[in-house]
Amino acid sequence: QVQLVESGGGVVQPGGSLRLSCAASGFTFSSYGMHWVRQAPGKGLEWVAFIRYDGSNKYYADSVKGRFTISRDNSKNTLYLQMNSLRAEDTAVYYCAKGRELERRYVFDYWGQGTLVTVSS
Amino acid sequence: DIQMTQSPSTLSASVGDRVTITCRASQSISSWLAWYQQKPGKAPKLLIYKASSLESGVPSRFSGSGSGTEFTLTISSLQPDDFATYYCQQYNSYLWTFGQGTKVEIK
Repeated sequence: QVQLVESGGGVVQPGGSLRLSCAASGFTFSSYGMHWVRQAPGKGLEWVAFIRYDGSNKYYADSVKGRFTISRDNSKNTLYLQMNSLRAEDTAVYYCAKGRELERRYVFDYWGQGTLVTVSS
Repeated sequence: DIQMTQSPSTLSASVGDRVTITCRASQSISSWLAWYQQKPGKAPKLLIYKASSLESGVPSRFSGSGSGTEFTLTISSLQPDDFATYYCQQYNSYLWTFGQGTKVEIK
Protein backbone atom coordinates (compact mmCIF):
# COMPACT_ATOMS: atom_id res chain seq x y z
CA GLN A 1 0.00 0.00 0.00
CA VAL A 2 1.12 3.54 -0.71
CA GLN A 3 2.76 5.25 2.24
CA LEU A 4 4.08 8.80 2.44
CA VAL A 5 5.77 9.85 5.67
CA GLU A 6 6.82 13.46 6.16
CA SER A 7 9.45 14.58 8.65
CA GLY A 8 11.61 17.58 9.44
CA GLY A 9 9.02 19.99 10.79
CA GLY A 10 9.56 22.06 13.90
CA VAL A 11 9.87 25.57 15.28
CA VAL A 12 12.12 28.02 13.43
CA GLN A 13 12.73 31.74 13.77
CA PRO A 14 11.67 34.19 11.04
CA GLY A 15 14.35 34.31 8.38
CA GLY A 16 15.49 30.79 9.21
CA SER A 17 15.62 27.62 7.13
CA LEU A 18 14.21 24.12 7.37
CA ARG A 19 14.29 21.04 5.16
CA LEU A 20 11.33 18.72 5.00
CA SER A 21 11.52 15.12 3.82
CA CYS A 22 8.86 12.73 2.56
CA ALA A 23 9.71 9.02 2.51
CA ALA A 24 7.67 7.09 -0.04
CA SER A 25 6.90 3.38 -0.22
CA GLY A 26 4.40 1.02 -1.79
CA PHE A 27 4.75 2.36 -5.34
CA THR A 28 7.45 3.04 -7.94
CA PHE A 29 8.48 6.47 -6.66
CA SER A 30 10.66 7.25 -9.68
CA SER A 31 7.63 7.02 -12.00
CA TYR A 32 5.44 9.68 -10.37
CA GLY A 33 5.39 13.43 -10.00
CA MET A 34 5.13 14.64 -6.42
CA HIS A 35 3.65 17.67 -4.70
CA TRP A 36 3.94 19.64 -1.48
CA VAL A 37 0.72 21.17 -0.12
CA ARG A 38 0.32 23.17 3.07
CA GLN A 39 -2.47 24.11 5.43
CA ALA A 40 -2.18 26.99 7.87
CA PRO A 41 -3.89 26.42 11.25
CA GLY A 42 -7.66 26.53 10.79
CA LYS A 43 -7.31 27.43 7.11
CA GLY A 44 -7.74 25.76 3.73
CA LEU A 45 -5.33 23.90 1.49
CA GLU A 46 -2.63 25.68 -0.50
CA TRP A 47 -0.53 23.96 -3.17
CA VAL A 48 3.16 24.78 -2.70
CA ALA A 49 5.32 22.97 -5.25
CA PHE A 50 5.46 20.13 -7.79
CA ILE A 51 8.32 18.12 -9.27
CA ARG A 52 8.08 15.79 -12.23
CA TYR A 53 9.00 12.12 -11.86
CA ASP A 54 12.57 12.64 -13.06
CA GLY A 55 13.10 16.07 -11.51
CA SER A 56 13.23 17.69 -14.95
CA ASN A 57 10.56 20.30 -14.22
CA LYS A 58 9.58 22.09 -11.03
CA TYR A 59 6.71 24.47 -10.36
CA TYR A 60 6.07 26.75 -7.39
CA ALA A 61 3.29 28.84 -5.95
CA ASP A 62 4.02 32.56 -6.18
CA SER A 63 3.96 32.76 -2.36
CA VAL A 64 7.10 30.58 -2.07
CA LYS A 65 8.91 31.15 -5.37
CA GLY A 66 12.54 32.09 -4.82
CA ARG A 67 12.49 30.91 -1.18
CA PHE A 68 11.51 27.22 -1.37
CA THR A 69 13.13 24.47 -3.47
CA ILE A 70 11.57 21.11 -4.20
CA SER A 71 13.83 18.18 -5.03
CA ARG A 72 13.87 14.40 -5.00
CA ASP A 73 16.25 11.48 -4.68
CA ASN A 74 14.78 8.57 -6.60
CA SER A 75 17.49 6.23 -5.31
CA LYS A 76 16.22 6.89 -1.78
CA ASN A 77 12.51 7.16 -2.63
CA THR A 78 12.48 10.52 -0.92
CA LEU A 79 11.01 13.94 -1.70
CA TYR A 80 12.38 17.13 -0.17
CA LEU A 81 11.35 20.72 0.41
CA GLN A 82 14.11 23.17 1.30
CA MET A 83 12.54 26.23 2.89
CA ASN A 84 14.62 29.41 3.28
CA SER A 85 13.82 32.95 4.43
CA LEU A 86 10.87 31.63 6.40
CA ARG A 87 8.08 33.98 7.41
CA ALA A 88 5.33 33.78 10.01
CA GLU A 89 2.82 33.18 7.21
CA ASP A 90 4.65 29.96 6.27
CA THR A 91 3.41 28.41 9.52
CA ALA A 92 1.38 25.37 8.45
CA VAL A 93 1.09 21.63 8.27
CA TYR A 94 3.02 20.54 5.19
CA TYR A 95 1.79 17.49 3.29
CA CYS A 96 3.49 15.60 0.51
CA ALA A 97 1.17 14.11 -2.08
CA LYS A 98 1.61 11.69 -4.95
CA GLY A 99 0.57 12.88 -8.37
CA ARG A 100 -1.48 10.67 -10.65
CA GLU A 101 -1.05 11.71 -14.27
CA LEU A 102 -3.82 11.72 -16.83
CA GLU A 103 -3.29 13.53 -20.14
CA ARG A 104 -0.41 15.52 -18.60
CA ARG A 105 -2.56 16.71 -15.71
CA TYR A 106 -1.81 15.64 -12.15
CA VAL A 107 -4.38 14.93 -9.46
CA PHE A 108 -3.26 14.22 -5.89
CA ASP A 109 -4.21 10.62 -5.16
CA TYR A 110 -2.33 9.83 -1.94
CA TRP A 111 -1.26 12.14 0.87
CA GLY A 112 1.06 11.82 3.84
CA GLN A 113 -0.01 12.61 7.40
CA GLY A 114 1.74 15.99 7.39
CA THR A 115 4.48 17.70 9.40
CA LEU A 116 3.98 20.98 11.29
CA VAL A 117 6.22 23.94 10.63
CA THR A 118 5.96 26.86 13.04
CA VAL A 119 7.76 30.11 12.26
CA SER A 120 7.98 32.18 15.41
CA SER A 121 10.48 34.16 17.43
CA ASP B 1 -4.05 32.01 -11.55
CA ILE B 2 -7.37 30.19 -11.68
CA GLN B 3 -9.54 31.03 -8.67
CA MET B 4 -11.89 28.41 -7.23
CA THR B 5 -14.97 29.48 -5.26
CA GLN B 6 -17.03 27.01 -3.25
CA SER B 7 -20.50 27.49 -1.81
CA PRO B 8 -21.71 27.29 0.81
CA SER B 9 -18.83 27.70 3.26
CA THR B 10 -20.76 25.78 5.90
CA LEU B 11 -23.65 23.40 5.50
CA SER B 12 -25.80 21.95 8.30
CA ALA B 13 -27.50 18.68 7.44
CA SER B 14 -28.94 15.53 8.96
CA VAL B 15 -28.12 11.88 8.37
CA GLY B 16 -29.98 10.76 5.27
CA ASP B 17 -30.10 14.20 3.66
CA ARG B 18 -29.10 14.82 0.07
CA VAL B 19 -26.27 17.35 0.07
CA THR B 20 -24.92 19.42 -2.82
CA ILE B 21 -21.77 21.56 -2.82
CA THR B 22 -20.97 23.92 -5.69
CA CYS B 23 -17.56 24.93 -7.03
CA ARG B 24 -16.96 27.65 -9.62
CA ALA B 25 -13.74 28.28 -11.54
CA SER B 26 -12.69 31.77 -12.66
CA GLN B 27 -12.04 30.38 -16.15
CA SER B 28 -12.76 27.18 -18.00
CA ILE B 29 -10.93 24.13 -16.68
CA SER B 30 -12.71 21.59 -18.91
CA SER B 31 -13.26 18.58 -16.60
CA TRP B 32 -9.98 18.87 -14.69
CA LEU B 33 -11.58 19.12 -11.27
CA ALA B 34 -11.15 16.98 -8.18
CA TRP B 35 -12.98 16.78 -4.85
CA TYR B 36 -11.29 15.91 -1.56
CA GLN B 37 -12.66 15.10 1.89
CA GLN B 38 -10.74 16.13 5.00
CA LYS B 39 -11.51 15.23 8.61
CA PRO B 40 -9.98 17.15 11.55
CA GLY B 41 -6.32 16.32 12.08
CA LYS B 42 -6.20 14.08 9.02
CA ALA B 43 -4.85 14.37 5.50
CA PRO B 44 -7.24 15.04 2.63
CA LYS B 45 -8.64 12.06 0.76
CA LEU B 46 -9.38 12.01 -2.97
CA LEU B 47 -13.06 11.35 -3.69
CA ILE B 48 -13.70 12.41 -7.28
CA TYR B 49 -11.36 13.20 -10.18
CA LYS B 50 -11.97 14.50 -13.69
CA ALA B 51 -15.18 16.09 -12.40
CA SER B 52 -17.23 12.89 -12.23
CA SER B 53 -14.94 9.84 -11.87
CA LEU B 54 -15.29 8.10 -8.53
CA GLU B 55 -11.98 7.18 -6.89
CA SER B 56 -11.58 3.49 -6.12
CA GLY B 57 -12.99 2.56 -2.73
CA VAL B 58 -15.14 5.67 -2.37
CA PRO B 59 -18.83 4.94 -1.63
CA SER B 60 -21.21 5.38 -4.54
CA ARG B 61 -23.31 7.90 -2.60
CA PHE B 62 -20.67 10.44 -3.66
CA SER B 63 -20.98 11.81 -7.18
CA GLY B 64 -19.60 14.73 -9.13
CA SER B 65 -20.78 16.61 -12.17
CA GLY B 66 -20.05 19.66 -14.28
CA SER B 67 -17.57 20.99 -16.80
CA GLY B 68 -16.11 24.31 -17.86
CA THR B 69 -16.58 26.57 -14.85
CA GLU B 70 -19.43 25.05 -12.82
CA PHE B 71 -19.16 21.86 -10.79
CA THR B 72 -21.07 20.08 -8.06
CA LEU B 73 -20.38 17.39 -5.49
CA THR B 74 -23.45 15.49 -4.34
CA ILE B 75 -23.81 13.13 -1.41
CA SER B 76 -27.03 11.24 -2.07
CA SER B 77 -27.72 10.16 1.52
CA LEU B 78 -25.48 11.71 4.16
CA GLN B 79 -23.91 9.22 6.55
CA PRO B 80 -22.31 9.88 9.98
CA ASP B 81 -18.85 9.31 8.48
CA ASP B 82 -19.42 12.08 5.92
CA PHE B 83 -19.32 15.00 8.36
CA ALA B 84 -16.10 16.67 7.24
CA THR B 85 -14.72 19.52 5.15
CA TYR B 86 -14.78 19.17 1.37
CA TYR B 87 -12.44 20.93 -1.06
CA CYS B 88 -12.60 21.27 -4.81
CA GLN B 89 -9.35 21.63 -6.75
CA GLN B 90 -8.54 22.47 -10.33
CA TYR B 91 -5.66 20.70 -12.01
CA ASN B 92 -5.92 22.12 -15.49
CA SER B 93 -2.72 24.10 -15.13
CA TYR B 94 0.63 23.76 -13.41
CA LEU B 95 -0.56 26.19 -10.75
CA TRP B 96 -2.95 24.01 -8.83
CA THR B 97 -5.60 25.81 -6.78
CA PHE B 98 -8.16 24.74 -4.20
CA GLY B 99 -11.52 26.13 -3.19
CA GLN B 100 -11.78 27.55 0.31
CA GLY B 101 -13.64 24.49 1.59
CA THR B 102 -17.16 23.56 2.66
CA LYS B 103 -17.68 22.26 6.18
CA VAL B 104 -20.55 19.80 6.46
CA GLU B 105 -21.88 19.90 10.02
CA ILE B 106 -24.48 17.90 11.91
CA LYS B 107 -27.81 19.70 12.06
